[in-house]
Amino acid sequence: DGGITQSPKYLFRKEGQNVTLSCEQNLNHDAMYWYRQDPGQGLRLIYYSQIVNDFQKGDIAEGYSVSREKKESFPLTVTSAQKNPTAFYLCASSIIAGGTLTNEQFFGPGTRLTVL
Amino acid sequence: DAKTTQPNSMESNEEEPVHLPCNHSTISGTDYIHWYRQLPSQGPEYVIHGLTSNVNNRMASLAIAEDRKSSTLILHRATLRDAAVYYCIPTQGGSEKLVFGKGMKLTVNP
Repeated sequence: DGGITQSPKYLFRKEGQNVTLSCEQNLNHDAMYWYRQDPGQGLRLIYYSQIVNDFQKGDIAEGYSVSREKKESFPLTVTSAQKNPTAFYLCASSIIAGGTLTNEQFFGPGTRLTVL
Repeated sequence: DAKTTQPNSMESNEEEPVHLPCNHSTISGTDYIHWYRQLPSQGPEYVIHGLTSNVNNRMASLAIAEDRKSSTLILHRATLRDAAVYYCIPTQGGSEKLVFGKGMKLTVNP
């Protein structure tokens, strides 16, 4: 089945440690995205990538880093510089049609990160 | 980004139609209206989108006001599985950004 995989579902880390969240898709989508969701709130865009080896900052990129070495993979690192890292992290992907991002994004199941 | 206004919550009964309203009075002429929903502890799921004309798909129908300042998502027969937070998102075509507000929580009563 095609889809987006995020692992692990729950992740615990000590304050001051970097942590990398995995996101893999087998939908052959060009674009991938990372969002953060806090309790009772909507999603906020962290980073997005339209092509391998290229990515752009979203609205809340500070304290996060990403890489896009393969089309299928878009890992997110939450660094120790992120002041409030505890949140629900969602990865998404979409196709690019005619050189333009399409807004139908497919989301993974999310990773709930708790920093102790 | 166009601002949206949705009720905080709505209730419906199973197997009855439910109309979910959204006001987006500052929408620009080229913004599409997207609807997503998010079940508890899951990622959002695309529901439907439209520009000017009403749209139907297997999940729902989208009715867009003639002046495009509001839209209504219609679930023709609500099921328990439709209980979720629904997001109305005006989005510029080709934009990378889906701006999720707080959405509207739909409760479906058996």
